[in-house]
Amino acid sequence: AAGVIQSPRHLIKEKRETATLKCYPIPRHDTVYWYQQGPGQDPQFLISFYEKMQSDKGSIPDRFSAQQFSDYHSELNMSSLELGDSALYFCASSPGQGAAYEQYFGPGTRLTVT
Amino acid sequence: GNSVTQMEGPVTLSEEAFLTINCTYTATGYPSLFWYVQYPGEGLQLLLKATKADDKGSNKGFEATYRKETTSFHLEKGSVQVSDSAVYFCALRIPGGGADGLTFGKGTHLIIQP
Repeated sequence: AAGVIQSPRHLIKEKRETATLKCYPIPRHDTVYWYQQGPGQDPQFLISFYEKMQSDKGSIPDRFSAQQFSDYHSELNMSSLELGDSALYFCASSPGQGAAYEQYFGPGTRLTVT
Repeated sequence: GNSVTQMEGPVTLSEEAFLTINCTYTATGYPSLFWYVQYPGEGLQLLLKATKADDKGSNKGFEATYRKETTSFHLEKGSVQVSDSAVYFCALRIPGGGADGLTFGKGTHLIIQP
């Protein structure tokens, strides 16, 4: 079965650079979520989209922005990177919004900021 | 606000031992409860869930019962295997109709020794 695809899987950036992470949801899933998991930490919800519109916002820094495109893939744009942004970034998708729909997680993108 | 508290790890057990990982929650509404598992280098996988009081979620020999009176959702397994070694996250979500994110606990690292 198709799963959530994230690219790249690994990314190394320097401080103050920008990074773009991509997420391709499972086919026919219209809802995308982004999470950030710091080293040894629990995943923290950043932001979500439903039908290409922002749906909910968590602890996403102002330096980050995201959008969902017409083909339902999503991109997380991170600017002015800081050392503390080093983390595993997960994307999840679901076939609808609301707690009735399970979130399926991708393998994550590991971002290292040096 | 919403929060999840789970027992600190690592938890080290011998194969075939009985497992309990405690999880309690605080929520402003009536949450759905989840257990996710994360194997090394992989994304999060839903292990089991429960959406209302006294529901029991079960999967792959793991069980957890939604206890509203004690605000708990403890994970149990009667006989663990080496392949169960992973990090386990308890999580909640408030059914609000939107694409709201999951709130996770800190995770419990489970190590099963042969």
